[in-house]
Amino acid sequence: NAGVTQTPKFQVLKTGQSMTLQCAQDMNHEYMSWYRQDPGMGLRLIHYSVGAGITDQGEVPNGYNVSRSTTEDFPLRLLSAAPSQTSVYFCASSTRGVIYTFGSGTRLTVV
Amino acid sequence: AQSVSQHNHHVILSEAASLELGCNYSYGGTVNLFWYVQYPGQHLQLLLKYFSGDPLVKGIKGFEAEFIKSKFSFNLRKPSVQWSDTAEYFCAVGVTGGGNKLTFGTGTQLKVEL
Repeated sequence: NAGVTQTPKFQVLKTGQSMTLQCAQDMNHEYMSWYRQDPGMGLRLIHYSVGAGITDQGEVPNGYNVSRSTTEDFPLRLLSAAPSQTSVYFCASSTRGVIYTFGSGTRLTVV
Repeated sequence: AQSVSQHNHHVILSEAASLELGCNYSYGGTVNLFWYVQYPGQHLQLLLKYFSGDPLVKGIKGFEAEFIKSKFSFNLRKPSVQWSDTAEYFCAVGVTGGGNKLTFGTGTQLKVEL
């Protein structure tokens, strides 16, 4: 059982480039979320999904898009990378009621 | 919207010392409460959770937390810390029916010295 798998683990982008962070879970969890972690700010919710085909914005959604075409996958797209998006990104999945499992994270640097 | 405050940003303890990390939240309704731990270079792991019932909850690795509703608090405790407890600790609040959205505190960096 792999849990939540995030790829890539590390990425360097130039300002203005676009990319997709991948997240997949094999636990048949309904809920999936994307967080970013910045020093001194904890984790902040970017986007979340309560099931396939349903997504909604979190606290800091600007500059990011998501889609949920299957239960397993929840990719995060950076449309035009900016230095302010340098961060560590975590994907998480859960059953109804609580977030149980986080991915190992993607460390993104935008230069 | 809910918010979470963790008052201690950095804590340094010697091995065998007792630990208490503060967490206060603001929300007028029913909440689910969590403590997560992040060891250096790793992802978040769930330490313990509170949904309802006994306000004193026990988690993994000897950690416990007490929910005090009147104080909107959910402090984390451990009677005797070990060097391996060095990590960052996050308190989080989830609202029932709120799409599983968690609001995290800013974290407490714990360093345990030998």
